[in-house]
Amino acid sequence: GNSVTQMEGPVTLSEEAFLTINCTYTATGYPSLFWYVQYPGEGLQLLLKATKADDKGSNKGFEATYRKETTSFHLEKGSVQVSDSAVYFCALNGRHDYQLIWGAGTKLIIKP
Amino acid sequence: DGGITQSPKYLFRKEGQNVTLSCEQNLNHDAMYWYRQDPGQGLRLIYYSQIVNDFQKGDIAEGYSVSREKKESFPLTVTSAQKNPTAFYLCASRRQGARAFFGQGTRLTVV
Repeated sequence: GNSVTQMEGPVTLSEEAFLTINCTYTATGYPSLFWYVQYPGEGLQLLLKATKADDKGSNKGFEATYRKETTSFHLEKGSVQVSDSAVYFCALNGRHDYQLIWGAGTKLIIKP
Repeated sequence: DGGITQSPKYLFRKEGQNVTLSCEQNLNHDAMYWYRQDPGQGLRLIYYSQIVNDFQKGDIAEGYSVSREKKESFPLTVTSAQKNPTAFYLCASRRQGARAFFGQGTRLTVV
């Protein structure tokens, strides 16, 4: 079945560092891929998405490219800020319309 | 504004008591979901509903119950059978195949 694997956290970086959070998936067909962000004590918010191979989703300086050949959707940001500290979830549509398959989440800590 | 609303934000339950968490959406979404999140953990699916008057168990449905009498509403009851209910509960909704919208969550604590 469909599944998502994220790199384990926490990931700790200094402000202005380059960020990569790895996400790989297994899926049949061509599912849409998502990155969500969760700030402390809040619900999840969509950060970006991609619906087909080679699509690049981007938002708030974050980017992720749908790589069919490597089954990956890694999240990147060129220069992180303290305010980017949060938990990031990778997700994809499952085989059935109702399904959303979630990664385990990666906690990001940015130090000033 | 369209959105999804959970209430209350904080809820305290005594041992042996049933409590109900509210989730309302005005996005006209067919599918609604309840997730449980434990500290430092990911999301675990409790129940989901694709259509009014129908719902399905997720991965950890034991000790929980839901109803879907209206499209807009998907309340979750945490029953006394749930032995470890302290957690953060998240409700979500979506159209078929599209992104999910989440509520702000309810933090349930057993006292």
